[in-house]
Amino acid sequence: AQSVTQPDARVTVSEGASLQLRCKYSYSGTPYLFWYVQYQRQGLQLLLKYYSGDPVVQGVNGFEAEFSKSDSSFHLRKASVHWSDSAVYFCAASGSNYQLIWGSGTKLIIKP
Amino acid sequence: EAAVTQSPRNKVAVTGGKVTLSCNQTNNHNNMYWYRQDTGHGLRLIHYSYGAGSTEKGDIPDGYKASRPSQENFSLILELATPSQTSVYFCASGGGVNTEVFFGKGTRLTVV
Repeated sequence: AQSVTQPDARVTVSEGASLQLRCKYSYSGTPYLFWYVQYQRQGLQLLLKYYSGDPVVQGVNGFEAEFSKSDSSFHLRKASVHWSDSAVYFCAASGSNYQLIWGSGTKLIIKP
Repeated sequence: EAAVTQSPRNKVAVTGGKVTLSCNQTNNHNNMYWYRQDTGHGLRLIHYSYGAGSTEKGDIPDGYKASRPSQENFSLILELATPSQTSVYFCASGGGVNTEVFFGKGTRLTVV
């Protein structure tokens, strides 16, 4: 069955430190992969997406993600986090019937 | 700019009552979705639609109906609301399997 797993429910990093949020997928074929961010009491917004080509994709606000077919992963990274990056981050993969398969989300907490 | 508008933003309903959540999109997207978001469950798909007149069951359709009378509008209907349906509901629209999905800001529903 197709699935997306975000193994870390919560990640805490210091402001200015680097960040990696993990995402693993299980999908037959090559999926479309997405990272979305949800700020408090808001809807989700797209950070970046990947389908093919360069496995490292750039997104908004300095975020990037790297696709690994061998590892079935699509981890999100940022070189230096800011307090405004505090949010919940969701990884998703395209499924059949134009549905997205969602991970359970990772809450990012930034320490001053 | 792509826009998905949900109404109401907050709703308190009584057990056994009928609740209608409305969603309007100005993106001219064929696909629309209703999700609920609960702590520990991430996003769960309730119903979705491929276009006016179509509705499809998602992963958790029990207790919910959907209506897509036009390209722009997609409603979620709780005929007999129960406390277990207390949640935050998100509407979204999308153009295709590899395109961005745009979310509304959510409706916080409390069933007492």
